Amino acid sequence: EPEVTQTPSHQVTQMGQEVILRCVPISNHLYFYWYRQILGQKVEFLVSFYNNEISEKSEIFDDQFSVERPDGSNFTLKIRSTKLEDSAMYFCASARLAGGPLDTQYFGPGTRLTVL
Amino acid sequence: AQTVTQSQPEMSVQEAETVTLSCTYDTSENNYYLFWYKQPPSRQMILVIRQEAYKQQNATENRFSVNFQKAAKSFSLKISDSQLGDTAMYFCAFMDRNTPLVFGKGTRLSVIA
Repeated sequence: EPEVTQTPSHQVTQMGQEVILRCVPISNHLYFYWYRQILGQKVEFLVSFYNNEISEKSEIFDDQFSVERPDGSNFTLKIRSTKLEDSAMYFCASARLAGGPLDTQYFGPGTRLTVL
Repeated sequence: AQTVTQSQPEMSVQEAETVTLSCTYDTSENNYYLFWYKQPPSRQMILVIRQEAYKQQNATENRFSVNFQKAAKSFSLKISDSQLGDTAMYFCAFMDRNTPLVFGKGTRLSVIA
């Protein structure tokens, strides 16, 4: 069964450094998402991406964040200058959305980001 | 804004017993989806079950079923014949055509042998 994959599984970085988190969505899916979960808290929406552009973003997704689909398979989240409070689990998700704006989102296994 | 409330931070159940996790939500939309996701200690988010608001019939997936009460805006998850592998955080989530997934704070379920 197709699944969303994410790399790396764990990323440790120094405050102020740039990180890129990578995701490979399910191949026939059209809509891509990033969520984050700070330890012990609920999952929060960051951004959605459709047709090579951001379709929606939350207040969390400020100028430090960017997303890109550099080729036909990868979907990346870049944090330009990491802060301690960026430490969290980052989940990528994808949805087929072939029949309209509502569809199930399938999540990847997550990348644990630790900022020191 | 749409909100999702899970009022039970923690629950426990004996192996082979049945447990029900509660979820309520707030929306003025008529067309939306509701989900239960499971997050085991590995922290991966796994889809358990989905309910479309326009469907009156409650969704079921093997040992997992929901009680969807649209008028009451309630969406509870029933796990029958609980197994040790069901131990996890369970998140209720809501989505409509204008709103990305909104999650509740989760319920930590422990299945006891």
